[in-house]
Amino acid sequence: AQTVTQSQPEMSVQEAETVTLSCTYDTSESDYYLFWYKQPPSRQMILVIRQEAYKQQNATENRFSVNFQKAAKSFSLKISDSQLGDAAMYFCAYRSPTMYSGGGADGLTFGKGTHLIIQP
Amino acid sequence: DSGVTQTPKHLITATGQRVTLRCSPRSGDLSVYWYQQSLDQGLQFLIQYYNGEERAKGNILERFSAQQFPDLHSELNLSSLELGDSALYFCASSVGRNSYGYTFGSGTRLTVV
Repeated sequence: AQTVTQSQPEMSVQEAETVTLSCTYDTSESDYYLFWYKQPPSRQMILVIRQEAYKQQNATENRFSVNFQKAAKSFSLKISDSQLGDAAMYFCAYRSPTMYSGGGADGLTFGKGTHLIIQP
Repeated sequence: DSGVTQTPKHLITATGQRVTLRCSPRSGDLSVYWYQQSLDQGLQFLIQYYNGEERAKGNILERFSAQQFPDLHSELNLSSLELGDSALYFCASSVGRNSYGYTFGSGTRLTVV
């Protein structure tokens, strides 16, 4: 079974600074998908960014970018120019491409999350 | 608004009771997923349906069951409730069987007393 580890329960950053959230995962599969989700106090789960394992290029979405190191099984999220609205729980998640027919979970496997605090 | 609708938003019930949580997926999405978020277990995948058929099971208890109806809405049934079932239950939807992008609903907060 795949596991996802977020080793930082809480991170704090000054507004406008850059912060990096860490995520490592364990899998024997060669193809998979990785995600970062944001959960603000409203509890809504919001997709921040996603990465296909077969793509070597790191995904970028505006101020959010990832550092995907496949060999190291590492998938960190960098938030540039941090804003107060970025304060939230951030979850790293893994999804296998294989699914259906009698077994195996086809859902996302989540890490425990990192609580990001933005200091004004 | 994500387009995925979950009702009710909050639910308080007693131990031993049975409840039903409802989810309407985003328009055009055929897959529905259920997740449980609790303080001790974190976010866990429970079950997936695609176009009315069960597709994958995760850490779903035998006391829990789900179904997806012809109009594609889904219901999660939780029975013989225990205090430990108190959690936030999310529904998510995606277009296809193998889509890797999900849209989450805002969740149902279940409190068992």
